[in-house]
Amino acid sequence: NAGVTQTPKFRVLKTGQSMTLLCAQDMNHEYMYWYRQDPGMGLRLIHYSVGEGTTAKGEVPDGYNVSRLKKQNFLLGLESAAPSQTSVYFCASSYSGTGGNYGYTFGSGTRLTVV
Amino acid sequence: AQKITQTQPGMFVQEKEAVTLDCTYDTSDPSYGLFWYKQPSSGEMIFLIYQGSYDQQNATEGRYSLNFQKARKSANLVISASQLGDSAMYFCAMRERGTGNQFYFGTGTSLTVIP
Repeated sequence: NAGVTQTPKFRVLKTGQSMTLLCAQDMNHEYMYWYRQDPGMGLRLIHYSVGEGTTAKGEVPDGYNVSRLKKQNFLLGLESAAPSQTSVYFCASSYSGTGGNYGYTFGSGTRLTVV
Repeated sequence: AQKITQTQPGMFVQEKEAVTLDCTYDTSDPSYGLFWYKQPSSGEMIFLIYQGSYDQQNATEGRYSLNFQKARKSANLVISASQLGDSAMYFCAMRERGTGNQFYFGTGTSLTVIP
């Protein structure tokens, strides 16, 4: 039972480089999310998707782009990495229901360092 | 305004004692869900407990209980009989209806269990 899989788990980038983080889920969840976690700031939403082909901005979207071409995949792109994007990135997915215990299933995180 | 407030950056508890981690929330949506997650040093996010806004009774899951005081907008996590393995970061989160199932997270409380 894979759940939510993030790749890569670790990455070091130089300022200005680009990269894509991949999130894949096998639970047929409609909703997918990208968060970043920084010390003392909790988790902040970058972008999210409520279905294949749709994306929306979260709290901190600047410097990131996303795509959801397939229901099971949600990609997070950094076009020109900056040191301020050094963070731990979490992908999550959930069912589309708004009632009940429709909690998140989280990936294991990607630790990104931009030097 | 912050949607979720956790005012205790760090807490210490003696092994086998109970501990309460505070969480207050802010919403005007009558339908919402409250969640607690645990993040050990390994980094993964582990779901602990859920409370719906219309639930009449406080949620319990084993040694975890949620002290839900709706009028005060608080959702404190109580851990009974603390164990060394409870040492971790704890996050309170809220989901509002109609926001793409988006979660708002607090800044977290770091709990250390002392032998």
